Amino acid sequence: DGGITQSPKYLFRKEGQNVTLSCEQNLNHDAMYWYRQDPGQGLRLIYYSQIVNDFQKGDIAEGYSVSREKKESFPLTVTSAQKNPTAFYLCASSIEAEKLFFGSGTQLSVL
Amino acid sequence: LAKTTQPISMDSYEGQEVNITCSHNNIATNDYITWYQQFPSQGPRFIIQGYKTKVTNEVASLFIPADRKSSTLSLPRVSLSDTAVYYCLVGDWDRDDKIIFGKGTRLHILP
Repeated sequence: DGGITQSPKYLFRKEGQNVTLSCEQNLNHDAMYWYRQDPGQGLRLIYYSQIVNDFQKGDIAEGYSVSREKKESFPLTVTSAQKNPTAFYLCASSIEAEKLFFGSGTQLSVL
Repeated sequence: LAKTTQPISMDSYEGQEVNITCSHNNIATNDYITWYQQFPSQGPRFIIQGYKTKVTNEVASLFIPADRKSSTLSLPRVSLSDTAVYYCLVGDWDRDDKIIFGKGTRLHILP
């Protein structure tokens, strides 16, 4: 059945390492989003993409990178430049901007 | 996007009706009001959306006064499983492609 899949569920990063979080959707949605959520806090927008091969920075893009080579996929790379990467990362997609469908999230921790 | 203000937290008891109010004094003419629900370690889930007056679905009702400067999410006869964070978003989804979540309201249902 249709949905949005994030993997892995848990991820550990070593100092100086880049890690990539996967986000795949089979909903045929044009728009995709990445959010970061710290404990007890709301969601903060990292990057979003309205169409293949195009994406824009959100409010906290520093230390992150994305690509949108396929409609179905919007991977997020947490680079070594992100000094405080421990957080819950959520990917979402939408066909109408007001209704987002979210994945189950990836919890990233630093070793 | 219009700024929204919600209570940080609320407590209620099983079987009660719960009303969560969101203030959005700077709402624009074309803005819609959307509510999401988030359980721990999960992505938010769309609950309801409205423009004016009252909207009802199988989960909740949304009341919007004539001046649209606030809105109230109403959850009838809550159960323990309604314990979650509820987010109010306001925006013109045809114009705004950034979707920003605030900190939401943490609702705790007691037995």
